[in-house]
Amino acid sequence: DGGITQSPKYLFRKEGQNVTLSCEQNLNHDAMYWYRQDPGQGLRLIYYSQIVNDFQKGDIAEGYSVSREKKESFPLTVTSAQKNPTAFYLCASSPQGLGTEAFFGQGTRLTVV
Amino acid sequence: DQQVKQNSPSLSVQEGRISILNCDYTNSMFDYFLWYKKYPAEGPTFLISISSIKDKNEDGRFTVFLNKSAKHLSLHIVPSQPGDSAVYFCAASASNDYKLSFGAGTTVTVRA
Repeated sequence: DGGITQSPKYLFRKEGQNVTLSCEQNLNHDAMYWYRQDPGQGLRLIYYSQIVNDFQKGDIAEGYSVSREKKESFPLTVTSAQKNPTAFYLCASSPQGLGTEAFFGQGTRLTVV
Repeated sequence: DQQVKQNSPSLSVQEGRISILNCDYTNSMFDYFLWYKKYPAEGPTFLISISSIKDKNEDGRFTVFLNKSAKHLSLHIVPSQPGDSAVYFCAASASNDYKLSFGAGTTVTVRA
Protein backbone atom coordinates (compact mmCIF):
# COMPACT_ATOMS: atom_id res chain seq x y z
CA ASP A 1 0.00 0.00 0.00
CA GLY A 2 1.13 3.55 -0.68
CA GLY A 3 1.87 5.81 2.22
CA ILE A 4 4.34 7.59 4.44
CA THR A 5 6.35 5.71 7.01
CA GLN A 6 8.00 7.35 9.97
CA SER A 7 10.29 5.42 12.24
CA PRO A 8 10.63 4.86 15.06
CA LYS A 9 7.31 5.75 16.70
CA TYR A 10 8.98 6.51 20.03
CA LEU A 11 12.56 7.67 20.49
CA PHE A 12 14.53 8.52 23.60
CA ARG A 13 17.84 10.33 23.57
CA LYS A 14 20.18 11.87 26.07
CA GLU A 15 20.62 15.62 26.09
CA GLY A 16 23.45 16.73 23.83
CA GLN A 17 23.13 13.88 21.36
CA ASN A 18 22.11 14.30 17.76
CA VAL A 19 19.26 12.08 16.57
CA THR A 20 17.88 11.37 13.08
CA LEU A 21 14.21 10.72 12.39
CA SER A 22 13.34 8.68 9.33
CA CYS A 23 10.62 9.50 6.79
CA GLU A 24 9.98 7.42 3.67
CA GLN A 25 7.14 7.74 1.13
CA ASN A 26 6.14 5.58 -1.82
CA LEU A 27 3.47 7.92 -3.15
CA ASN A 28 5.78 9.40 -5.79
CA HIS A 29 5.18 12.84 -4.30
CA ASP A 30 7.57 15.63 -5.15
CA ALA A 31 7.17 17.69 -1.97
CA MET A 32 7.98 16.58 1.56
CA TYR A 33 7.66 18.39 4.89
CA TRP A 34 8.61 18.15 8.54
CA TYR A 35 6.35 19.59 11.21
CA ARG A 36 6.60 19.71 14.96
CA GLN A 37 3.58 19.57 17.26
CA ASP A 38 3.63 20.99 20.78
CA PRO A 39 0.60 21.25 23.06
CA GLY A 40 -1.53 24.28 22.24
CA GLN A 41 0.65 25.37 19.33
CA GLY A 42 -0.61 23.31 16.44
CA LEU A 43 1.78 22.21 13.73
CA ARG A 44 4.84 24.30 13.04
CA LEU A 45 6.87 23.86 9.87
CA ILE A 46 10.53 22.94 10.36
CA TYR A 47 11.77 22.26 6.81
CA TYR A 48 10.27 21.45 3.46
CA SER A 49 11.52 20.18 0.12
CA GLN A 50 9.84 20.60 -3.23
CA ILE A 51 12.30 18.56 -5.28
CA VAL A 52 15.28 16.27 -4.78
CA ASN A 53 18.48 17.98 -3.64
CA ASP A 54 16.61 21.13 -2.66
CA PHE A 55 15.03 22.14 0.65
CA GLN A 56 13.88 25.30 2.40
CA LYS A 57 13.77 26.40 6.00
CA GLY A 58 10.38 26.63 7.60
CA ASP A 59 9.33 28.73 10.56
CA ILE A 60 11.39 26.94 13.24
CA ALA A 61 14.45 25.49 11.45
CA GLU A 62 17.06 26.41 14.09
CA GLY A 63 18.68 23.33 15.59
CA TYR A 64 17.48 21.02 12.81
CA SER A 65 18.96 19.77 9.56
CA VAL A 66 17.59 17.76 6.63
CA SER A 67 18.67 16.13 3.39
CA ARG A 68 16.77 15.12 0.26
CA GLU A 69 19.06 12.82 -1.70
CA LYS A 70 16.22 10.62 -2.92
CA LYS A 71 12.62 11.46 -3.83
CA GLU A 72 11.31 8.88 -1.37
CA SER A 73 13.30 9.94 1.68
CA PHE A 74 13.49 13.10 3.79
CA PRO A 75 15.33 12.43 7.08
CA LEU A 76 15.36 15.03 9.85
CA THR A 77 18.28 15.41 12.24
CA VAL A 78 17.61 17.02 15.59
CA THR A 79 20.92 18.45 16.69
CA SER A 80 22.21 19.32 20.14
CA ALA A 81 21.66 22.98 19.22
CA GLN A 82 17.89 22.52 19.39
CA LYS A 83 17.03 23.94 22.81
CA ASN A 84 13.75 22.13 23.38
CA PRO A 85 13.73 18.99 21.22
CA THR A 86 11.12 16.96 23.10
CA ALA A 87 8.04 16.98 20.85
CA PHE A 88 5.89 15.03 18.42
CA TYR A 89 7.39 15.17 14.92
CA LEU A 90 5.29 14.71 11.80
CA CYS A 91 6.46 14.12 8.25
CA ALA A 92 4.21 14.79 5.27
CA SER A 93 4.30 14.66 1.50
CA SER A 94 2.24 16.13 -1.30
CA PRO A 95 2.18 16.20 -5.08
CA GLN A 96 3.01 19.59 -6.49
CA GLY A 97 0.34 22.06 -7.50
CA LEU A 98 -2.61 23.95 -6.12
CA GLY A 99 -5.46 21.89 -4.85
CA THR A 100 -3.46 19.05 -3.41
CA GLU A 101 -3.45 18.05 0.19
CA ALA A 102 -0.53 16.81 2.25
CA PHE A 103 -0.50 13.23 3.51
CA PHE A 104 0.99 12.66 6.94
CA GLY A 105 2.92 9.85 8.56
CA GLN A 106 2.03 8.49 11.99
CA GLY A 107 4.58 10.65 13.75
CA THR A 108 7.60 10.13 16.00
CA ARG A 109 7.51 11.07 19.67
CA LEU A 110 11.00 12.22 20.62
CA THR A 111 11.86 12.51 24.30
CA VAL A 112 15.19 13.97 25.34
CA VAL A 113 16.25 13.21 28.89
CA ASP B 1 3.40 35.50 13.67
CA GLN B 2 0.70 32.90 13.22
CA GLN B 3 -1.11 33.41 9.92
CA VAL B 4 -3.85 30.87 10.60
CA LYS B 5 -5.76 31.15 13.84
CA GLN B 6 -8.24 28.90 15.56
CA ASN B 7 -9.37 30.88 18.55
CA SER B 8 -11.46 28.18 20.17
CA PRO B 9 -9.20 25.53 21.70
CA SER B 10 -12.11 23.23 22.51
CA LEU B 11 -15.71 22.49 21.62
CA SER B 12 -18.19 20.15 23.30
CA VAL B 13 -21.32 19.10 21.43
CA GLN B 14 -24.07 16.59 21.96
CA GLU B 15 -24.31 13.64 19.62
CA GLY B 16 -26.63 14.39 16.70
CA ARG B 17 -26.19 18.16 16.94
CA ILE B 18 -24.11 20.42 14.72
CA SER B 19 -20.44 21.17 15.39
CA ILE B 20 -19.14 24.47 14.04
CA LEU B 21 -15.40 25.08 13.99
CA ASN B 22 -13.99 28.46 13.05
CA CYS B 23 -10.72 29.57 11.49
CA ASP B 24 -9.33 33.00 10.61
CA TYR B 25 -6.35 33.86 8.44
CA THR B 26 -4.30 36.98 7.89
CA ASN B 27 -2.37 36.28 4.68
CA SER B 28 -4.36 37.53 1.69
CA MET B 29 -2.20 35.37 -0.61
CA PHE B 30 -3.76 32.18 0.76
CA ASP B 31 -5.99 30.63 -1.89
CA TYR B 32 -6.44 27.05 -0.75
CA PHE B 33 -7.79 25.92 2.60
CA LEU B 34 -7.96 22.52 4.23
CA TRP B 35 -9.28 20.86 7.36
CA TYR B 36 -7.47 17.96 8.98
CA LYS B 37 -8.61 15.63 11.73
CA LYS B 38 -6.15 14.21 14.24
CA TYR B 39 -6.37 11.52 16.91
CA PRO B 40 -3.79 11.40 19.75
CA ALA B 41 -0.38 9.97 18.80
CA GLU B 42 -1.36 9.72 15.13
CA GLY B 43 -0.73 11.83 12.06
CA PRO B 44 -3.45 14.20 10.82
CA THR B 45 -5.75 12.92 8.10
CA PHE B 46 -7.23 15.11 5.40
CA LEU B 47 -10.92 15.87 5.82
CA ILE B 48 -12.10 18.48 3.32
CA SER B 49 -10.75 21.42 1.35
CA ILE B 50 -11.89 24.53 -0.50
CA SER B 51 -10.25 26.80 -3.03
CA SER B 52 -10.68 30.55 -3.02
CA ILE B 53 -12.88 30.48 -6.12
CA LYS B 54 -15.63 28.82 -4.11
CA ASP B 55 -17.50 29.80 -0.96
CA LYS B 56 -18.81 26.38 -0.01
CA ASN B 57 -17.76 22.78 -0.35
CA GLU B 58 -19.73 19.83 0.97
CA ASP B 59 -18.73 16.21 1.51
CA GLY B 60 -21.26 14.08 3.35
CA ARG B 61 -21.64 15.33 6.90
CA PHE B 62 -18.85 17.90 6.45
CA THR B 63 -19.26 21.34 4.90
CA VAL B 64 -16.65 24.07 4.70
CA PHE B 65 -17.64 27.70 4.18
CA LEU B 66 -15.23 30.41 3.04
CA ASN B 67 -15.73 34.15 3.50
CA LYS B 68 -12.83 35.76 1.66
CA SER B 69 -13.71 39.33 2.56
CA ALA B 70 -13.63 38.44 6.25
CA LYS B 71 -10.67 36.06 5.85
CA HIS B 72 -12.70 33.48 7.69
CA LEU B 73 -13.65 29.87 7.14
CA SER B 74 -15.71 27.42 9.11
CA LEU B 75 -16.27 23.69 9.20
CA HIS B 76 -19.74 22.34 9.92
CA ILE B 77 -20.23 18.74 11.00
CA VAL B 78 -23.80 17.56 11.06
CA PRO B 79 -24.91 15.37 12.66
CA SER B 80 -21.99 15.02 15.07
CA GLN B 81 -21.03 11.47 15.98
CA PRO B 82 -18.86 10.06 18.81
CA GLY B 83 -16.15 9.14 16.28
CA ASP B 84 -15.83 12.81 15.41
CA SER B 85 -14.16 13.44 18.77
CA ALA B 86 -10.66 14.54 17.76
CA VAL B 87 -8.49 17.60 17.20
CA TYR B 88 -9.33 19.55 14.04
CA PHE B 89 -6.71 21.67 12.32
CA CYS B 90 -7.35 24.39 9.80
CA ALA B 91 -4.60 24.85 7.19
CA ALA B 92 -3.95 27.23 4.33
CA SER B 93 -1.57 27.59 1.41
CA ALA B 94 -0.78 30.04 -1.37
CA SER B 95 -0.37 28.97 -5.00
CA ASN B 96 3.09 30.52 -5.17
CA ASP B 97 4.25 28.63 -2.07
CA TYR B 98 3.28 25.03 -1.50
CA LYS B 99 3.91 24.86 2.22
CA LEU B 100 0.90 24.56 4.51
CA SER B 101 0.37 26.87 7.47
CA PHE B 102 -1.65 25.35 10.30
CA GLY B 103 -3.78 26.75 13.08
CA ALA B 104 -3.39 25.62 16.69
CA GLY B 105 -6.29 23.19 16.48
CA THR B 106 -9.71 22.78 18.11
CA THR B 107 -10.44 19.75 20.26
CA VAL B 108 -13.96 18.48 19.61
CA THR B 109 -15.71 16.26 22.14
CA VAL B 110 -18.99 14.69 21.13
CA ARG B 111 -21.12 13.73 24.14
CA ALA B 112 -23.51 10.80 24.02
